[in-house]
Amino acid sequence: GAVVSQHPSWVICKSGTSVKIECRSLDFQATTMFWYRQFPKQSLMLMATSNEGSKATYEQGVEKDKFLINHASLTLSTLTVTSAHPEDSSFYICSARRHTGAGGDYGYTFGSGTRLTVV
Amino acid sequence: AQKITQTQPGMFVQEKEAVTLDCTYDTSDPSYGLFWYKQPSSGEMIFLIYQGSYDQQNATEGRYSLNFQKARKSANLVISASQLGDSAMYFCAIYLIQGAQKLVFGQGTRLTINP
Repeated sequence: GAVVSQHPSWVICKSGTSVKIECRSLDFQATTMFWYRQFPKQSLMLMATSNEGSKATYEQGVEKDKFLINHASLTLSTLTVTSAHPEDSSFYICSARRHTGAGGDYGYTFGSGTRLTVV
Repeated sequence: AQKITQTQPGMFVQEKEAVTLDCTYDTSDPSYGLFWYKQPSSGEMIFLIYQGSYDQQNATEGRYSLNFQKARKSANLVISASQLGDSAMYFCAIYLIQGAQKLVFGQGTRLTINP
C-alpha cells in the first residue's frame, strides 16, 4: 500500500530557530501534498496545499513567511517553521494525494506526524 | 467551499455495543467524497471508510458502516460490536472532487469504550 514517511517524529527547538519537517511518499508519486496543524484535542486545520514545482497555496490566516513549504519533487515536500516561537508548538501532519483515487485509502495517505515543541 | 460539523465532543460506550458518530456537511458542489478517520493517541490518521456523493449504497468496511443521508447532508459512522481498541478520536472529512481536492475535517469526536 501507499506509504508516506514524515520526519522527524518529534523535535524540540529553541525559540527563534527554524525547523524543517519532511514528508516523503515512498512508493508513489504525489501530485499534491497537504500540510495540517493540530493543537491538542482539536481538529486538523489545513495550512497549505502544495503541488510539485509550483508555489504552495496557503489557507487564510496562515503566514506564508513563517511556514515555508517547498515541493521540489513528486515525492518530497518540506515544511519549514521559521523563527519558531512557543505558540508554534503543535502537531504537524502531512498528507499526500495520488493522481488516482484508487487504493484502500482513496488516494489520501497521511504521514505519522511531527510533534514540535518550541522552548 | 465545504464544511464539516461533528456535534459530539465525546462519546462513552460499553464494550460490544454499537455506536453512531454524527457528521453533517455543507457544500453546494454535487461531486464530493466523505471520509472517516480514526486517530489514536499516537497521532497517526487511520482511514476507515469512504462514501462518494454519487454512491447509491451506503459504504461498509468490516465493523464500520456509513449511514449516508444525502438529502439531510449527513454521513454518520456506525461501529458495530465496539472493542476497547476502538477508543480514539474520530474525524469526519469532506473533499470536493473538482478543484484542489483538499480534505476538510470536522472537529472530531473522542470515543471511549468502557469494559
